[in-house]
Amino acid sequence: EVQLVESGGGLVQPGRSLRLSCAASGFTFDDYAMHWVRQAPGKGLEWVSGISWNSGSIGYADSVKGRFTISRDNAKNSLYLQMNSLRAEDTALYYCAKGMGFGEFDYWGQGTLVTVSS
Amino acid sequence: QSALTQPASVSGSPGQSITISCTGTSSDVGGYNYVSWYQQHPGKAPKLMIYEVSNRPSGVPDRFSGSKSGNTASLTISGLQAEDEADYYCSSYTSSSTLGVVFGGGTKLTVL
Repeated sequence: EVQLVESGGGLVQPGRSLRLSCAASGFTFDDYAMHWVRQAPGKGLEWVSGISWNSGSIGYADSVKGRFTISRDNAKNSLYLQMNSLRAEDTALYYCAKGMGFGEFDYWGQGTLVTVSS
Repeated sequence: QSALTQPASVSGSPGQSITISCTGTSSDVGGYNYVSWYQQHPGKAPKLMIYEVSNRPSGVPDRFSGSKSGNTASLTISGLQAEDEADYYCSSYTSSSTLGVVFGGGTKLTVL
């Protein structure tokens, strides 16, 4: 059974940093691209970032480019999102999602909530 | 990275059919057959319902179908059931960013 478990969310002040983690199990992690998708309270889904199986290709949404860094450790079956210079508009539930094909996600975690507020 | 355009809400009675549209551009929906649809119930994670425009993952009822014409993709749900009431999001691969994905704004489906 595929499982994706996010952690690392919490309350953080504007301008500070936070690192999210996603622990994957139930599939061959290093065969697949992985992504972060967020959902602000009461709002829709927004793709944040994606990373190929070997970290050779990495992409970011314009809204986070230059502030967020995605990475993965295939030996630990883990995905990460380093979030710097956080803003109020980054407040959201952050989902880890397993990629399939191009830009499609067949499994999602339950999310970790990030709240940026003073 | 502009969002895809979906209607904010649709509704239908049990047993009826509804269609949700998703309009993009030639850089996303119109340019690639990587359109997917997700169902999200309140407080739950999204669930993949359709991938590559018209394919259903194992376990998704065949009442759910997808199609595409030009820059517009569509999700059709036939034989509506109460449990279909949820938010639906379309997404597409986009050439505007490496590994890029763009989502629609979401459509609230109400089963009357």
